[in-house]
Amino acid sequence: GAGVSQSPSNKVTEKGKDVELRCDPISGHTALYWYRQRLGQGLEFLIYFQGNSAPDKSGLPSDRFSAERTGESVSTLTIQRTQQEDSAVYLCASSSPRQGGFFGPGTRLTVL
Amino acid sequence: AQSVAQPEDQVNVAEGNPLTVKCTYSVSGNPYLFWYVQYPNRGLQFLLKYITGDNLVKGSYGFEAEFNKSQTSFHLKKPSALVSDSALYFCAVRLRAGNNRKLIWGLGTSLAVNP
Repeated sequence: GAGVSQSPSNKVTEKGKDVELRCDPISGHTALYWYRQRLGQGLEFLIYFQGNSAPDKSGLPSDRFSAERTGESVSTLTIQRTQQEDSAVYLCASSSPRQGGFFGPGTRLTVL
Repeated sequence: AQSVAQPEDQVNVAEGNPLTVKCTYSVSGNPYLFWYVQYPNRGLQFLLKYITGDNLVKGSYGFEAEFNKSQTSFHLKKPSALVSDSALYFCAVRLRAGNNRKLIWGLGTSLAVNP
């Protein structure tokens, strides 16, 4: 496809369950970002991948959060033992040199 | 710490009036500068970017932004606001040094254009 895609678009889960969110970046984009946007709040940086370099995990809020990306392909964001405060829209973006990020449509996560 | 500030949480303007959404930044060097817009129930969309050259950058939907190096600002502007411009606007910067590709974001400004 022409843009960044994310799946699922919506996820409702029970507190304590694990969830996995997927991001398919634009082909050829070396950088990939995960952000979180809670209701009524701004974007919150989570993690950044650049090629095969070690990812910048400085934004991950706790050790329940982890993300993986192999090379320049798909990335998955995993949240273990979900809590209600994890409810948010999780946004993925990919970028190429000299451009800003191209965002996916997001995954809306609701933790009951 | 490197940061981007959008000093106004909300901006209200009447349709047809000019609008300004403010952004200032505190980063090392001369970064690339971006504006993104998020319409209700839709994903973020790229509006415009400044890389080099003319300080006035023109973007999508009639928006433009002016880079002011001395004030480290990159305010978003539009001469005549439309109700359909009502959305959440995000300013972002990216450092030029090395291979850094991470975007530093402002917290967003909610623009409400009243008919």
